[in-house]
Amino acid sequence: GEDVEQSLFLSVREGDSSVINCTYTDSSSTYLYWYKQEPGAGLQLLTYIFSNMDMKQDQRLTVLLNKKDKHLSLRIADTQTGDSAIYFCAVASGGSYIPTFGRGTSLIVHP
Amino acid sequence: DAGITQSPRHKVTETGTPVTLRCHQTENHRYMYWYRQDPGHGLRLIHYSYGVKDTDKGEVSDGYSVSRSKTEDFLLTLESATSSQTSVYFCAISEDGYTQYFGPGTRLTVL
Repeated sequence: GEDVEQSLFLSVREGDSSVINCTYTDSSSTYLYWYKQEPGAGLQLLTYIFSNMDMKQDQRLTVLLNKKDKHLSLRIADTQTGDSAIYFCAVASGGSYIPTFGRGTSLIVHP
Repeated sequence: DAGITQSPRHKVTETGTPVTLRCHQTENHRYMYWYRQDPGHGLRLIHYSYGVKDTDKGEVSDGYSVSRSKTEDFLLTLESATSSQTSVYFCAISEDGYTQYFGPGTRLTVL
């Protein structure tokens, strides 16, 4: 089955850009998602991209997809302390829409 | 926020007792899902439903059963709780089958 890998931690300074990376194994993956989880809360869908796209931008968020390398990234511009959270990458193939989740990257933003 | 509630939000129970968790939605979405979240594992799918009385197993379904008799409610039952089922349980809903919205979670402790 699909395997989704993320680094566990990322520490950045407030105002810098953050880049969270994700790799996956199934080349037929069609839907790729980024979720945010704040402490004690559920997962919030941040953005998603289809496999026929290379990039998607939504305000401070930029998603880049490299299908050849099976690599997905989430860039957060002008990172704020409120962006501190766990970010999950999730990937679904066209046959089943049910995503496989990575283990999450804990983003720590310090002043 | 999607109208999803989970009850109870916290529960402590003893090994061998039955436990039922409830997910309730007000969005009239077709798809509903149960996940568990454990440190180091990300989110893993337990069961899902693609309509009233239509359910299927996920990655970690052993020891769990589900029922969906109404569009708005999806119940997760642990017939005889074990300590390995101590976890945070999340319900999710989807209208189209590929964008999921999560509830606030239920923290279950099995002693």
